[in-house]
Amino acid sequence: QSALTQPPSASGSPGQSVTISCTGTSSDVGAYNYVSWYRQHPGKAPKLMIYEVSKRPSGVPDRFSGSKSGNTASLTVSGLQADDEADYYCSSYAGSNWVFGGGTKLTVL
Amino acid sequence: QVQLVESGGGVVQPGGSLRLSCTASGFTFSSYAMHWVRQAPGKGLEWVAFIRYDGNNEYYADSVKGRFTISRDNSKNTLYLQMNSLRAEDTAVYYCARSLDFWGQGTLVTVSS
Repeated sequence: QSALTQPPSASGSPGQSVTISCTGTSSDVGAYNYVSWYRQHPGKAPKLMIYEVSKRPSGVPDRFSGSKSGNTASLTVSGLQADDEADYYCSSYAGSNWVFGGGTKLTVL
Repeated sequence: QVQLVESGGGVVQPGGSLRLSCTASGFTFSSYAMHWVRQAPGKGLEWVAFIRYDGNNEYYADSVKGRFTISRDNSKNTLYLQMNSLRAEDTAVYYCARSLDFWGQGTLVTVSS
């Protein structure tokens, strides 16, 4: 049950795009199409932004997109806005358990 | 609207026990699997436990296996987490989450002497 690997930080200017990676193994990210992405503002609960690799819940803007290749999943945030500044976490089903990434702090410059 | 409200957090001594509750509303609780996820102060998210919609299957993180028990009462729309043999490293905000798609606001558990 090792954590997925995310870069600790990422940044971009308003209007730009940024991509955050999430690397797992053939037992989690590589094995299942059950990768999710969450956004967490300070002191708040995580909010689901992407599920099943690339699906967006109702209400999440299409500026958020997800993909996966092999053991690595990615979240792309396009048209960066000030409110996108937050911590982002990936998670994956791993067969009778779930695993999260260590989190990426996204800074909007 | 969907709501999940956790309660039962507090300060407990090492080796002690605590039971967390999560009361659900705004959706059919008995149709959804539920999870507990925790976040130590200043740290990332850690999955803790899962229970199937009907309570007939449970999974646990290795870090809590044998010490924590997840359960649910679908007649009361409530999820529980019984935590025994608590350690300092269990200190965290504990979130309940519906199928990991909607999360409560969390309850803080502090294990300290």
